[in-house]
Amino acid sequence: GESVGLHLPTLSVQEGDNSIINCAYSNSASDYFIWYKQESGKGPQFIIDIRSNMDKRQGQRVTVLLNKTVKHLSLQIAATQPGDSAVYFCAENSGGSNYKLTFGKGTLLTVNP
Amino acid sequence: DVKVTQSSRYLVKRTGEKVFLECVQDMDHENMFWYRQDPGLGLRLIYFSYDVKMKEKGDIPEGYSVSREKKERFSLILESASTNQTSMYLCASSLELAGDTQYFGPGTRLTVL
Repeated sequence: GESVGLHLPTLSVQEGDNSIINCAYSNSASDYFIWYKQESGKGPQFIIDIRSNMDKRQGQRVTVLLNKTVKHLSLQIAATQPGDSAVYFCAENSGGSNYKLTFGKGTLLTVNP
Repeated sequence: DVKVTQSSRYLVKRTGEKVFLECVQDMDHENMFWYRQDPGLGLRLIYFSYDVKMKEKGDIPEGYSVSREKKERFSLILESASTNQTSMYLCASSLELAGDTQYFGPGTRLTVL
């Protein structure tokens, strides 16, 4: 979920388990969404994106689900590995003349071996 | 693959110094962005550029300027560095201005003493 203040929400899972990271987005007009992964001391890395005409999109070991009714986005990671440990955050854009990506503050995923 | 590079990973400067942060992308992207990232505040847009020599202010442009003389290069300038500009600076680029993925560089951790 979204962070409040200085402390990120955290999710701790065992290696091999599936992970689900959630994001509540703010703008009902948003029609493009991205998930990023950011490892400590590095720049955000694109994982997967989805447009509002879809409710599900799959990548390699990752699935993004979009529920426009409740303005909710989730990232599912299958068979989580230690290398998946990072901060994950979502971004939304309403397109058209709005160039800005609005970023969530992220969730810290820790994978225990 | 998109590659966005930043000139320095770590930088230490003194208050009042003029600081240049350089960013280069190799995918012929029209749009380039500068963000800063601070704990609890997430990513905040400083400036962006949608074409050579074109620039627009983002959400927090005060104390910064930018330069885009060539399509592949976008520079962020701190005219007179201050301690409150200590932060992680991230450059990004995208093909389309809206509704498109922004690809990030590795970041520059700037400390102003």
